[in-house]
This record gives sequence, C-alpha cells and structure tokens, in this order.
Amino acid sequence: AQSVTQLGSHVSVSEGALVLLRCNYSSSVPPYLFWYVQYPNQGLQLLLKYTSAATLVKGINGFEAEFKKSETSFHLTKPSAHMSDAAEYFCAVSERAGTALIFGKGTTLSVSS
Amino acid sequence: GAVVSQHPSWVICKSGTSVKIECRSLDFQATTMFWYRQFPKQSLMLMATSNEGSKATYEQGVEKDKFLINHASLTLSTLTVTSAHPEDSSFYICSVPQLSGTGVSYNEQFFGPGTRLTVL
Repeated sequence: AQSVTQLGSHVSVSEGALVLLRCNYSSSVPPYLFWYVQYPNQGLQLLLKYTSAATLVKGINGFEAEFKKSETSFHLTKPSAHMSDAAEYFCAVSERAGTALIFGKGTTLSVSS
Repeated sequence: GAVVSQHPSWVICKSGTSVKIECRSLDFQATTMFWYRQFPKQSLMLMATSNEGSKATYEQGVEKDKFLINHASLTLSTLTVTSAHPEDSSFYICSVPQLSGTGVSYNEQFFGPGTRLTVL
C-alpha cells in the first residue's frame, strides 16, 4: 500500500533562509507525487508535481523538489524563505493517474523576520 | 486552469439536521470525484469516491448511510451529511481528476476551496 511520511510536523526558518521540507513515500510502483500548500481556512494550492518526466521539478513561488528513487524521497526546497511562505505544506502520492491522493500529515512552516 | 467550486463555503447547523455540500467541476466533465475530510490541525483523509452512474465507494470506517454521495451529472457531486453531530464538524474538500485533454495527458487533481461544517 502506498503511503507518505513527512518528517517534521513543524519547521521554523528565518526570512531569507533555505527551506527544506521532507517527504518520503512508499509505493510498489513508480508514483505520482505532489506538494500542496494550504493557508489557514483555505483549500489546497498545487505547488508542483512529479510524473516521471524529470527528477527535478520546479514549481510556483520559487519552490522545487527532487525525486530520488534510491531514497524514496521527494523533498521540497526553496532557496530563500519569504514571510508569505508561512503555511501548511502537504506531500501526497498516487499510484495511478486519476486516482485519489494519499496525503502526508503535513508540515507547518513558520518564517520569522 | 480548471476550476472546482464548492457550495456552501461554510455552514453551521444544529445537531440532528442534514447538510448538503455541492462540488462542481466548472471546466470539464468528470466521471469521478473525490471527497476528503480534514479535521483541525490534521491532514486530508479520503472519505469516498463519487462515481457518475454508479454507487460511491467509501473508505474503511466511513459510514455510507451517514455520508450520502450522489454524482448527479458529469459536473456535479453532492455530499449529504445526515443527522449531523458535533463530531462531524470538519473541513470537507472535493477534488476532480483531469486525466487528459485533447492529445495531452494531464494527470492533474483540482481541489475545491472546501466547506467548513460546524455542528452545534
């Protein structure tokens, strides 16, 4: 069965610092992987997705993620944090196109000035 | 891009009443839609898969008689919480998968903005 583990329920960084949010997946087949951001009392916004076209995926707002099959990881990074990046981040996986997503527990990103 | 709407965006009801939540795919047709539930400070959990023209499939532990799903058309799915209780208070989110367009495979999931249900 597929699953997603997000290491660190809460990550705190200073404005301008590197952001690293960790995600490891478990899947019996090459997965589809996603990162979403959620601001308080709002829905989900897609940051980026991996669908086997390229291992380094660039998303919106300066975020990117690298798919590493050997490590079963899909960590999210951003070189320089901005105050507006403070939000909840979810990693999600699906094994087949069009199927429901399995979400990780989420990581709350706090950015201090 | 594709847009998914949900109505209402928030609702407050009394315990024992029923509440209907609509999920509409505005840009494309969908034979399948997904319903998720998110409790405060928690992740999204899949509740059920809504199938146009057939019965919904529910995840383990989700009461099908309590959470009625009707995929009325290729652009509309409704979730009815029957005899709601305070423990049903949650954020309900639907998603619509878009598999392909004209000659293009998208594998995109579009999420609605969510419905906040509070049961008093």
